[in-house]
Amino acid sequence: DVKVTQSSRYLVKRTGEKVFLECVQDMDHENMFWYRQDPGLGLRLIYFSYDVKMKEKGDIPEGYSVSREKKERFSLILESASTNQTSMYLCASSHGAANTEAFFGQGTRLTVV
Amino acid sequence: GDSVTQMEGPVTLSEEAFLTINCTYTATGYPSLFWYVQYPGEGLQLLLKATKADDKGSNKGFEATYRKETTSFHLEKGSVQVSDSAVYFCALSDRGNYGGSQGNLIFGKGTKLSVKP
Repeated sequence: DVKVTQSSRYLVKRTGEKVFLECVQDMDHENMFWYRQDPGLGLRLIYFSYDVKMKEKGDIPEGYSVSREKKERFSLILESASTNQTSMYLCASSHGAANTEAFFGQGTRLTVV
Repeated sequence: GDSVTQMEGPVTLSEEAFLTINCTYTATGYPSLFWYVQYPGEGLQLLLKATKADDKGSNKGFEATYRKETTSFHLEKGSVQVSDSAVYFCALSDRGNYGGSQGNLIFGKGTKLSVKP
């Protein structure tokens, strides 16, 4: 069974903390994604990686960075957490070819207090 | 740029009712189209997909047909169950907008479906 695993289901962090969200996939996928999900706004792409050490900004990269040192792992970093980053974060992966679906992790609900 | 528009929710139906969730898209070229489902407290799962015009995707009694002439991919089910209560997302594949690679997905805002017994 294909699997995308996010390191935490729930996180509570303080304003100003540096936060790491980890995602691992076991399908040898080239592409990995971080989305943010908010009510009424759907899914918004934060960052995208199509290869090791490669990254591209999505629609809302401000306040975030990413790291992809190994093909199977894609980390999202909140350099200095703020309350407006309280949200559900979803990681996904897919093959590099066109027309392929993405597989999602279970999500991390982050609360910044 | 590419975009997806789906009907606003929430949608509330009685068990065994007919379901339609409308989805239209704007895209250059020929994207693939997807429906994803998110059950409470979980991530998204692929429900069905279609990769070219007139293709019909189907799964678990749900169907959607890729209509290029109307740029639509409406989701339908003939008889919904309580267990179908979830949020449904329409999506299209982005072709090379990011980093020269393909496979990024653009999502609609989601439609919450509640089915009452």
